[in-house]
Amino acid sequence: QQQVKQSPQSLIVQKGGISIINCAYENTAFDYFPWYQQFPGKGPALLIAIRPDVSEKKEGRFTISFNKSAKQFSLHIMDSQPGDSATYFCAASTIYNQGGKLIFGQGTELSVKP
Amino acid sequence: EAGVTQFPSHSVIEKGQTVTLRCDPISGHDNLYWYRRVMGKEIKFLLHFVKESKQDESGMPNNRFLAERTGGTYSTLKVQPAELEDSGVYFCASSRRTSGRAFIGEQFFGPGTRLTVL
Repeated sequence: QQQVKQSPQSLIVQKGGISIINCAYENTAFDYFPWYQQFPGKGPALLIAIRPDVSEKKEGRFTISFNKSAKQFSLHIMDSQPGDSATYFCAASTIYNQGGKLIFGQGTELSVKP
Repeated sequence: EAGVTQFPSHSVIEKGQTVTLRCDPISGHDNLYWYRRVMGKEIKFLLHFVKESKQDESGMPNNRFLAERTGGTYSTLKVQPAELEDSGVYFCASSRRTSGRAFIGEQFFGPGTRLTVL
């Protein structure tokens, strides 16, 4: 049973456009929702994260929107650039219990066309 | 500060053979995690060490997998005997240890070991 569902699996966006990746979770005990970015040959790297007590968090061109009642959260990449082309993973965790293990979505391969 | 390192970067073995993967966490990080990504699927948790102790090994697929963390430093993950379904990318991650109910902290990932079982 997959606890975090991510869509779409792949996404093609023109340079300057908005990339949107969505995730849904089931376990209401989750209280930490990070997004990881992975380039080929590298490990995932933390991009941005949110706690469920806020509905939005913005860092530069990257924004997380969080809807607790719907158990959904999304990543928005504004003014997408070719350098943003990577695989993006959403994840969820209970940061105080269960050792903080991350439950990941399936990943989204983003390609930003020049 | 050096990041998380993993060795080897690639391993190709025959079904039935043994393979040992190694992870060196960031110095001072007490938490060490192993994850695996099978092609096209999600990254799945395997187990979690706090120093040399196994905190959670609920994600280990079966008893063909053995993880150790000697002296609370580097960790090894041995697969014996390897099966075709063990193919995938194995990631190691580490994070700082905090006391009590404080946030455990960002997990830093290594580049992964790509394991192919033929």
